[in-house]
Amino acid sequence: EADIYQTPRYLVIGTGKKITLECSQTMGHDKMYWYQQDPGMELHLIHYSYGVNSTEKGDLSSESTVSRIRTEHFPLTLESARPSHTSQYLCASSRKYEQYFGPGTRLTVT
Amino acid sequence: GENVEQHPSTLSVQEGDSAVIKCTYSDSASNYFPWYKQELGKRPQLIIDIRSNVGEKKDQRIAVTLNKTAKHFSLHITETQPEDSAVYFCAASSNTNAGKSTFGDGTTLTVKP
Repeated sequence: EADIYQTPRYLVIGTGKKITLECSQTMGHDKMYWYQQDPGMELHLIHYSYGVNSTEKGDLSSESTVSRIRTEHFPLTLESARPSHTSQYLCASSRKYEQYFGPGTRLTVT
Repeated sequence: GENVEQHPSTLSVQEGDSAVIKCTYSDSASNYFPWYKQELGKRPQLIIDIRSNVGEKKDQRIAVTLNKTAKHFSLHITETQPEDSAVYFCAASSNTNAGKSTFGDGTTLTVKP
């Protein structure tokens, strides 16, 4: 079934660790996005991509990086996690306008 | 860039009443206006959308209206039910922005039984 997947779903790590949040979609969408969202709060766009080898920073300043080597895969990397990174991270994809969201990764940095 | 404002931030209604959420946008080039519903602990999902060549669209108990001149659009939910309780996000997109959506800050709707 065509969908968008995120792993891990929950992650607790210590300050200073490097982590990668995985996002994959099987819908053949060119556009992919990463959002940061505290529960029930605003969606903050942190990175987006319009296709392979295309990445842009979003509206929220972030110490993360992304890559888009394959159409279906859009991982997010935090080089050095801090407690301020504690949040939920949502990945999304779209063909044109309508966005399909993944289930999210809830990250806690201790 | 585009700026989307959404009101109210919280809304509480009695079951069976109507609920209205309003959004304004700044970029006159925006031409696609989706609404997403996010239930507690779940991912946002599209519930209805409207394009700039249409003034109103309805799907069962939900409807969206668009006023391009005033740059505002609204979500209307009639005969609300407890399962309508969620956070609702409006958004605006344009061809000039390659379809990237700018989201409102969200409205937490609570429907009291």
